[in-house]
Amino acid sequence: KAGVTQTPRYLIKTRGQQVTLSCSPISGHRSVSWYQQTPGQGLQFLFEYFSETQRNKGNFPGRFSGRQFSNSRSEMNVSTLELGDSALYLCASSSTGPPNEKLFFGSGTQLSVL
Amino acid sequence: GQNIDQPTEMTATEGAIVQINCTYQTSGFNGLFWYQQHAGEAPTFLSYNVLDGLEEKGRFSSFLSRSKGYSYLLLKELQMKDSASYLCAVYQAGTALIFGKGTTLSVSS
Repeated sequence: KAGVTQTPRYLIKTRGQQVTLSCSPISGHRSVSWYQQTPGQGLQFLFEYFSETQRNKGNFPGRFSGRQFSNSRSEMNVSTLELGDSALYLCASSSTGPPNEKLFFGSGTQLSVL
Repeated sequence: GQNIDQPTEMTATEGAIVQINCTYQTSGFNGLFWYQQHAGEAPTFLSYNVLDGLEEKGRFSSFLSRSKGYSYLLLKELQMKDSASYLCAVYQAGTALIFGKGTTLSVSS
C-alpha cells in the first residue's frame, strides 16, 4: 500500500508570490490534515478535510487555504508569501480522522521564501 | 485550548534507558500519541494511550495519567538509531491532533 505522497519535495519562492502544495493520501483514507513545522514552533495544525469539507481549522491567517477533491487528494495554497512562511509543510491522512485515529504523514514539502 | 510541554533536548548513551516526559492541559481529552521523527523524515507513529496506565511495545513503552495530565515515553536498550525527535500529541475534543514542540534525543556510543 503506497504511503502519503506530497509534491513537490522542495520549493523556493519569493515574497508576495503564491504557492500550491499537493497531497495524495493513503488509498481509502478520507481525512487529510495539514501541518506547518518550523524549528521554533514545532508542528502547528493548519486544517483538516474530510469528504471534501473542511472540518477543523487552526489559527493561521486567511492567506492559508486548502481544498480536498472527490478522490481525497488535497491541496493547500498560501497566497502573498511572507518570509515567515518558510517551513516544512506536512500532510497526514487517516481513515476517518479525529478523535482517536493515528495519522500517517508524508515526507513534506520544504518551502523556502526569499 | 491546550498546552503541551516536553523537554527540548535530552542525551543518553547506547544501552541506557531514557524517559521523555510530556505534560498537557486540554479542555477535553481523547487520547495521547507519541511520534518519532528522524531528521529530514516524516513523523511515524509510536504509541497511543487513552486509558491510564502503561502500554508496552518492544523497547518502547508509554504511560498515561489523565488525572495528572501527564505522560512519558520510555525507551530501553537505546540504540544509535533512536536518535530522533519525539513528539507528544493530544486530541482536543472538536479539533485535531495537536503536537508539542518535540524532544530531540541524542544517543552517543
